[in-house]
Amino acid sequence: DAGVIQSPRHEVTEMGQEVTLRCKPISGHDYLFWYRQTMMRGLELLIYFNNNVPIDDSGMPEDRFSAKMPNASFSTLKIQPSEPRDSAVYFCASSSRAGPNEKLFFGSGTQLSVL
Amino acid sequence: GESVGLHLPTLSVQEGDNSIINCAYSNSASDYFIWYKQESGKGPQFIIDIRSNMDKRQGQRVTVLLNKTVKHLSLQIAATQPGDSAVYFCAENLRGSQGNLIFGKGTKLSVKP
Repeated sequence: DAGVIQSPRHEVTEMGQEVTLRCKPISGHDYLFWYRQTMMRGLELLIYFNNNVPIDDSGMPEDRFSAKMPNASFSTLKIQPSEPRDSAVYFCASSSRAGPNEKLFFGSGTQLSVL
Repeated sequence: GESVGLHLPTLSVQEGDNSIINCAYSNSASDYFIWYKQESGKGPQFIIDIRSNMDKRQGQRVTVLLNKTVKHLSLQIAATQPGDSAVYFCAENLRGSQGNLIFGKGTKLSVKP
């Protein structure tokens, strides 16, 4: 298995531009998570899906952030308009089920820089 | 506030020595704990997990200890190697939650040759 695949690996954009991050979870996994990592705040959960349905989006910073999962093999995280404070590493992760045996598999992340 | 925290933000050890990374959690309702390792430029990678009905679990060169009395979790790495240099995160899963892991800030482990 190729693991969780994220694209792009690096994104540099200017303030105000739209940014779209992409994720392909591990085949067969029911859960997909989007995390943001910064030095100051560590790993923060933004949103997660179960069977393509958003379950908890309370971590989404504001309306500029949106996430979709149109099918079991693809998800996007969109920021519109982007701001410099959005600069961070964004990770996608998937797991086969949640509960006592939960184990997240993370992608390599997207390093986002908003100038 | 954050319910999972770490006692030491950085840890430097000599190659071959044992490493101990500590983590404190504050939520007694947590029933599942995981340690992740994150190398530079990569995503976190699962190392070992433990349920709240256990107090010790061993893997290959790693041992996780859970002390529910004082809400403390530790990761022990035996015979630390340069490849163990990374940031280590503990994470907790609240009982009954549907998968929302809460991560600590992380401890950076540096192994000196």
